[in-house]
Amino acid sequence: EVNLVESGGGLVRPGGSLRLSCAASGFTFSTYSMNWVRLAPGKGLEWVSSITADSTYIFYADSVKGRFTISRDNAKNSLFLQMDRLRADDAAVYYCARVRRLGISRGELDSWGQGTLVTVSS
Amino acid sequence: EIVMTQSPVTLSVSPGERATLSCRASQNVYADLAWYQQKPGQAPRLLIYGASTRATGIPTRFSGSGSGTEFTLTISSLQSEDFAVYYCQQYYNWPTFGLGTKVEI
Repeated sequence: EVNLVESGGGLVRPGGSLRLSCAASGFTFSTYSMNWVRLAPGKGLEWVSSITADSTYIFYADSVKGRFTISRDNAKNSLFLQMDRLRADDAAVYYCARVRRLGISRGELDSWGQGTLVTVSS
Repeated sequence: EIVMTQSPVTLSVSPGERATLSCRASQNVYADLAWYQQKPGQAPRLLIYGASTRATGIPTRFSGSGSGTEFTLTISSLQSEDFAVYYCQQYYNWPTFGLGTKVEI
């Protein structure tokens, strides 16, 4: 069974940093592209970032470009999101999600973690 | 950025009734369209991809249709467990989601 578990969320002041992690199990992590998606209070889902299976291609939403960095460690079946210069509008539940189809960086997301909450407040 | 517009914002239905949810893309996304269900405190669940293909384990009462810019998710006979928020997502370009339709009693 595919399992994705996020961690690393918490309360941070504006301008601060957090590093989110996503531990994957139940599938061959190294062959799938992964995404981060967030859900802010009162808003809809927002795609944040994508990384291909071998980390060759990385993409970001304009809203986080230059502040967030996605990475992965296939040996440890882990996905990361380094978030710097956090703003109030970054507050959200952050989900890691798997792209269903192999070999592409974007597509339908067939497995999601339960999410980790990021709160940005002074 | 491709903007996804969902309607209605809220849909009030009774168990056993049919529910029809709409999603419009601001430009042609062909069939690169997915639907997700999300319940409070839970992760989104993939229902439909490729505009009309049910994901693994999704009941047949869920069906998707459309292509280009107009898409529909139909729930043929609502069950109590179907009351949730439904999102459409295009992946023809960098992924964007609609704001969701809340299906409530």
